[in-house]
Amino acid sequence: EIVLTQSPGTLSLSAGERATLSCRATQTVSSNYLAWYQQKPGQPPRLLIYAASSRATGIPDRFSGSGSGTDFTLTISRLEPEDFAVYYCHQYGSSVNAFGQGTKLEIK
Amino acid sequence: QVQLVQSGADVKRPGSSVKVSCATSGGIFSSYAISWVRQAPGQGLEWLGTVIPVFGTTNYAQKFQGRVTITADESTSTVYMELSSLRSEDTAVYFCARALEGPFWGSPLDPWGPGTLVTVSS
Repeated sequence: EIVLTQSPGTLSLSAGERATLSCRATQTVSSNYLAWYQQKPGQPPRLLIYAASSRATGIPDRFSGSGSGTDFTLTISRLEPEDFAVYYCHQYGSSVNAFGQGTKLEIK
Repeated sequence: QVQLVQSGADVKRPGSSVKVSCATSGGIFSSYAISWVRQAPGQGLEWLGTVIPVFGTTNYAQKFQGRVTITADESTSTVYMELSSLRSEDTAVYFCARALEGPFWGSPLDPWGPGTLVTVSS
């Protein structure tokens, strides 16, 4: 079973800065089937990125995903006030899905 | 526009069972997998299992094997998740989510339902 570890646990940045979030898997993620979600309090998760680097419909281009194998990155190029939230990675390359524990992106 | 509508909040006693529903509209029900994911208060996301209605097949997380049952009713385009032998640690918001890419075990999840709070308390 693949375990995903996200880092850092909390990231404190200011609007306009660049955010880099990491997700590391204990085994190779098949076909780079790795997704990223954003979650705000009281809301369900929102799909941002799938297949490691494909943006979901309606997602601004300041969000980008990269990586392969066991190491994946979500980058937000210039933070907007609405981007401060919790972010989760999700591997769906095996029949057993798994989520990372999340990275909280907070305002510095 | 696909929408997922979940049943309302519920309070259960330890040892009992809960059944949460997820009604879908605006798409071809049987052609997409539906997964259930839960989130305990202040915690992260945890996958419970997935059903593919067109094949009538299910896949569960090992942690919940024997306690969780996911079923699909094509006549009403509704998926159900039943969790038995409830304990306080099962207190969580339970989300249903549709597979983005069709009838596959492995798919990103989009859209998601609003969530159903299940509280287990004596």
